[in-house]
Amino acid sequence: DAKTTQPPSMDCAEGRAANLPCNHSTISGNEYVYWYRQIHSQGPQYIIHGLKNNETNEMASLIITEDRKSSTLILPHATLRDTAVYYCIVRPRGYNQGGKLIFGQGTELSVKP
Amino acid sequence: NAGVTQTPKFQVLKTGQSMTLQCAQDMNHNSMYWYRQDPGMGLRLIYYSASEGTTDKGEVPNGYNVSRLNKREFSLRLESAAPSQTSVYFCASSEPTLGEQFFGPGTRLTVL
Repeated sequence: DAKTTQPPSMDCAEGRAANLPCNHSTISGNEYVYWYRQIHSQGPQYIIHGLKNNETNEMASLIITEDRKSSTLILPHATLRDTAVYYCIVRPRGYNQGGKLIFGQGTELSVKP
Repeated sequence: NAGVTQTPKFQVLKTGQSMTLQCAQDMNHNSMYWYRQDPGMGLRLIYYSASEGTTDKGEVPNGYNVSRLNKREFSLRLESAAPSQTSVYFCASSEPTLGEQFFGPGTRLTVL
């Protein structure tokens, strides 16, 4: 599975957009980009995933560059409840190795009033 | 739907004791996973079960055994607990074709 690189921490003002970058320069053609977040002491929560097109759901938007070597998770109007560690993971979709995820260190996002 | 449930929520063991962490899911998922998370660290995969009847090692399997009892249940056993196994343990399940994993609330284990 491709390796990802994320900044260890970021700050964001409440109500502003939070843009979390992820580098995955060795991603292969069949690998998807997944984002999860973990609010303090809870189990991780799925946010969004994509292959090559930009994706949006009720939680966030995912922008993947045309060469697929990097992506950005966007929380359009960050709230204090979005303070969490955000993990970017790349993996093939489907039954390859039972769908396992390999978590990196993630980005600790602090949303400040 | 309860989703993914884990028991117990907290446990304290002495070095050398054994215990089994239980996990169950009610989403009819084929795959289940056990992770551990040490303080200030990301999650690391211990074992996973791609489907009922199969189990495979993850990143950090040493000191653990697993059993996929049926499609719903996946247990993690520590045969002889060590202080290095003090951690928070998360169970998860997924339908691999969809990619999204659902996590339980975790078991906080301390080994003295």
